Amino acid sequence: KQEVTQIPAALSVPEGENLVLNCSFTDSAIYNLQWFRQDPGKGLTSLLLIQSSQREQTSGRLNASLDKSSGRSTLYIAASQPGDSATYLCAVLSGYSTLTFGKGTMLLVSP
Amino acid sequence: KAGVTQTPRYLIKTRGQQVTLSCSPISGHRSVSWYQQTPGQGLQFLFEYFSETQRNKGNFPGRFSGRQFSNSRSEMNVSTLELGDSALYLCASSWDISTDTQYFGPGTRLTVL
Repeated sequence: KQEVTQIPAALSVPEGENLVLNCSFTDSAIYNLQWFRQDPGKGLTSLLLIQSSQREQTSGRLNASLDKSSGRSTLYIAASQPGDSATYLCAVLSGYSTLTFGKGTMLLVSP
Repeated sequence: KAGVTQTPRYLIKTRGQQVTLSCSPISGHRSVSWYQQTPGQGLQFLFEYFSETQRNKGNFPGRFSGRQFSNSRSEMNVSTLELGDSALYLCASSWDISTDTQYFGPGTRLTVL
């Protein structure tokens, strides 16, 4: 059974800092890995999708890497801003159509 | 292009009742998945439909069921509601879940009293 762990559970940083969020998964037989953000009481917004054959994806100030063999992914956020405050969720697609989520990292960026 | 829509946005029910939630995917998307989100368990996969066929089901009791129509719209039903069913129910769509980004709707907040 796939299990996804995200560390840290919460993170508070001052504006402008670069930061790294970590995600690990137990079964390396995945189709892809996605990073999402969720604002309080809202649905999920997709940030980056990395296929199993890829090593990284970039979008603006975000960069996500994938090391399938070690079961790890990182999300790097450059020059953080207060608007980045949200919960960040990592999810892996395995078992063909089962998306397994981590519990998330709650990020607070203070001005 | 319109996003994923879910109706209703909020529901209050009492124990023992049943409820039906609706999800309209992004136009052209054939895959619709449902998830339950609670503070204790986080996001858990309920089921996935593709072209009207359920392809996968999560570890939930038979009280949770769903279906997909020919226009890809999907409904999920929960019968004999329990207090523990109170949650945010999220629906997501994609062209093909195995290769594409999942786009989520805003969710339906269900409260069971």
